[in-house]
Amino acid sequence: DAGVIQSPRHEVTEMGQEVTLRCKPISGHDYLFWYRQTMMRGLELLIYFNNNVPIDDSGMPEDRFSAKMPNASFSTLKIQPSEPRDSAVYFCASSAGYLEAFFGQGTRLTVV
Amino acid sequence: AQTVTQSQPEMSVQEAETVTLSCTYDTSESDYYLFWYKQPPSRQMILVIRQEAYKQQNATENRFSVNFQKAAKSFSLKISDSQLGDAAMYFCAYRRNNAGNMLTFGGGTRLMVKP
Repeated sequence: DAGVIQSPRHEVTEMGQEVTLRCKPISGHDYLFWYRQTMMRGLELLIYFNNNVPIDDSGMPEDRFSAKMPNASFSTLKIQPSEPRDSAVYFCASSAGYLEAFFGQGTRLTVV
Repeated sequence: AQTVTQSQPEMSVQEAETVTLSCTYDTSESDYYLFWYKQPPSRQMILVIRQEAYKQQNATENRFSVNFQKAAKSFSLKISDSQLGDAAMYFCAYRRNNAGNMLTFGGGTRLMVKP
């Protein structure tokens, strides 16, 4: 397996634009997590899914953020409209049951 | 809510020496997992080691070992024979072994290895 695959690796966008981050989890994993990493706040859990169903989205900053998992092999995190304070590295991770999560390489988002 | 605390923002070690990174956590659960992840400059999060709370024996992976003190809620990582490639951010993480089991991370410790 190629591991968790995220795209794009880097994204630069202008304030107000819509941004969509994509994630393909490891095949057979039933949990998927979206994390955000910043210098100020460290690693924050935004939302996680179990069997494609959102379980806890309490970490989603505000209504500008939304996440979907239409099937077991794909998830998106969307920010609309984007703001400079959204600049961060966004990680997707997946796990099989309650074991360790495997991370993608992250998407570095810069909003100017 | 579970919290994970890493009290050492930065640590430094001489190459070939041993270093211990600290981690404490707060939980009312009895069944859970603890992890150490490494994040090198490439930013890839890499699992270093895993400990099941029900196991008394401390986990070991080559040069990496943990000191798991369940009563004290402490989970430290020992790196023996440190190598330049060990330089990275290290994150301690907690995950309970039941429904609603999000993965909670500490704030991280930056490890520098001096040649």
